[in-house]
Amino acid sequence: AQSVTQPDIHITVSEGASLELRCNYSYGATPYLFWYVQSPGQGLQLLLKYFSGDTLVQGIKGFEAEFKRSQSSFNLRKPSVHWSDAAEYFCAVVLPYGNEKLTFGTGTRLTIIP
Amino acid sequence: NAGVMQNPRHLVRRRGQEARLRCSPMKGHSHVYWYRQLPEEGLKFMVYLQKENIIDESGMPKERFSAEFPKEGPSILRIQQVVRGDSAAYFCASSRQGASNTGELFFGEGSRLTVL
Repeated sequence: AQSVTQPDIHITVSEGASLELRCNYSYGATPYLFWYVQSPGQGLQLLLKYFSGDTLVQGIKGFEAEFKRSQSSFNLRKPSVHWSDAAEYFCAVVLPYGNEKLTFGTGTRLTIIP
Repeated sequence: NAGVMQNPRHLVRRRGQEARLRCSPMKGHSHVYWYRQLPEEGLKFMVYLQKENIIDESGMPKERFSAEFPKEGPSILRIQQVVRGDSAAYFCASSRQGASNTGELFFGEGSRLTVL
């Protein structure tokens, strides 16, 4: 079955530490891949996206993600987190020229400690 | 350029009442999507519309829920005879060319429905 999985429900990191949020997908073809961030009580904001080409994608707010076809993964990273990065992070996929359903993972809640 | 506008931001209804949620897409966007987010869960696709047409409503419950995107005016998600299980945040997103084309959806801040 087609799915997108975020195995970590909640992650806590210290301010200034590095961060990696995991995302795995299961689709017959390589989908388009996205990371969105949601602050409490807010809508979602796109951090970055991957369509094709360079497998290391740079996004806003200092985030990057790496597409690994062999692992069906698209993990989000940041070298040094800031307290303002505390939020919920969602991985999402859509099939190219497909049925328009952007499918979201269940999210990873990031907590930053001083 | 204003973003996706949703109203009301918060709505309280008693069981059996109707809820109407409105979404004005970004200027120039003709693709509208509605998603539902239950507490502690991700977003679930409900319906995808283009002007005056429902393209995909496979995520909508078969009863009580309907959506429209008229030629003039906002898109509306309507929930009739609400039940407690309808309590959720409902997000609207819009796109100029469609998610599977350009990939980026722009989200509103959501409408939070509470059913008493």
